Parts: sequence; C-alpha cells; structure tokens
Amino acid sequence: QSALTQPASVSGSPGQSITISCTGTSSDVGGYNYVSWYQQHPGKAPKLMIYDVSNRPSGVSNRFSGSKSGNTASLTISGLQAEDEADYYCSSYTSSSTLFYVFGTGTKVTVL
Amino acid sequence: QVQLQQSGPGLVKPSQTLSLTCAISGDSVSSNSAAWNWIRQSPSRGLEWLGRTYYRSKWYNDYAVSVKSRITINPDTSKNQFSLQLNSVTPEDTAVYYCAKTENDAFDIWGQGTMVTVSS
Repeated sequence: QSALTQPASVSGSPGQSITISCTGTSSDVGGYNYVSWYQQHPGKAPKLMIYDVSNRPSGVSNRFSGSKSGNTASLTISGLQAEDEADYYCSSYTSSSTLFYVFGTGTKVTVL
Repeated sequence: QVQLQQSGPGLVKPSQTLSLTCAISGDSVSSNSAAWNWIRQSPSRGLEWLGRTYYRSKWYNDYAVSVKSRITINPDTSKNQFSLQLNSVTPEDTAVYYCAKTENDAFDIWGQGTMVTVSS
C-alpha cells in the first residue's frame, strides 16, 4: 500500500486561495467518502480540518473546504492567512489487505 | 472535551520492546462509537497508521501488516487508557508516536506525541 500522493509544496500570498491535491486509487480515495485532512504546525500533533471529504469539525474556519473527484481529493484554503503556514496531510480509509488507513505524503504550505 | 495524554520512555535499545500508554479523559475506551489508534511519523516513512483497538460488544484489534508480527494494542478499562507494545525494535522504528481517536474514520483527537529513539 503506497502513500497517497500530494504536492510537496504550495504557496500563496495573503488573501489568495490555494488548493492541495491528494491522489489515491479506487481502493481508498476513490472508493470511499472517508477522506480527511490534517494541519500540522512544527513540533505539534496533527489537527483535523476536514472529515468525510467535505465536512468541517466544530471550530475549524470556513476558509477550509474539501472536495473529491474520482481518485483525487482536494483541500482548498481561501483567504490565506499567515497562520495557515503549516504542513497538510490527507488520509483515507482503505480496503487494502495490509492496513486500514493510509496517509498522504504531505504538503508544505507557505504564505508569501 | 476529549483529551489524550501519552506517557512512556523516549529511548529504547535495539531488540527490546517499545511501550507507550495513552490516557483518555472526556471519553471512554469502551465507547461503542470510537476507536483508539496508534500512528507514527518519521522523515523516511511519513505518517504511518499502526493499529487500533475498539469495543463493539466485545474487543477488537486491527494492525498494519508491516508491524503485525510485533505489535500489541491493549485497552485498560480500569484506568481508561490503551497501550502500544512494539517488540524487537530496530533503528527504523525511531519516530514520533501518536495516539489518536477515530470517530467516523477520521482522527479527530490526537495525543501530544512521543519522540522514541531506538539506539544502544
């Protein structure tokens, strides 16, 4: 089971919108609506930002949104702010015989 | 609110057993809707799900095949916590280890993380 594929880095200016992709297979991202997204600041634990493809937990800014098309999920951050600079990871339930959850390779978001 | 507090040693010798504990507050390890997971993160392997324990009228465990022969995750209902044991560790097991709760297949609550180094 390979990790889900994300771009290594994405950058944007304050106020802009950016989108991070997460590509898997029909055994994970494409097969289930159990895609979630996590924000991780240096030295901290990941924080859940999106679950079930497009749902936001209570307390997460509505500037964060998620979607999915086929085997690719996406996280969009609108109105980019300095505090959004962090690493972002996607995750999906998988029907792989080797594990139940797979994570993405991670994307470093830089606010210019 | 639910919180997870990890404890355990940060240094383990090669071939020995890595043991960590995750204490739960604000929820129950015997919850019929949650599952309790261990995840690790290293520069070489990224985020890697290791396994979980959960209660649905009886206890269940699921493990990643990559560690299945070496891993045990146990609930402790008397202390409302769960533990990770990873046997026969090598330097490749050096990582930050996290406990995390899943509800609806998303890791919604995470422990603070424990950096574990495998070295003699």
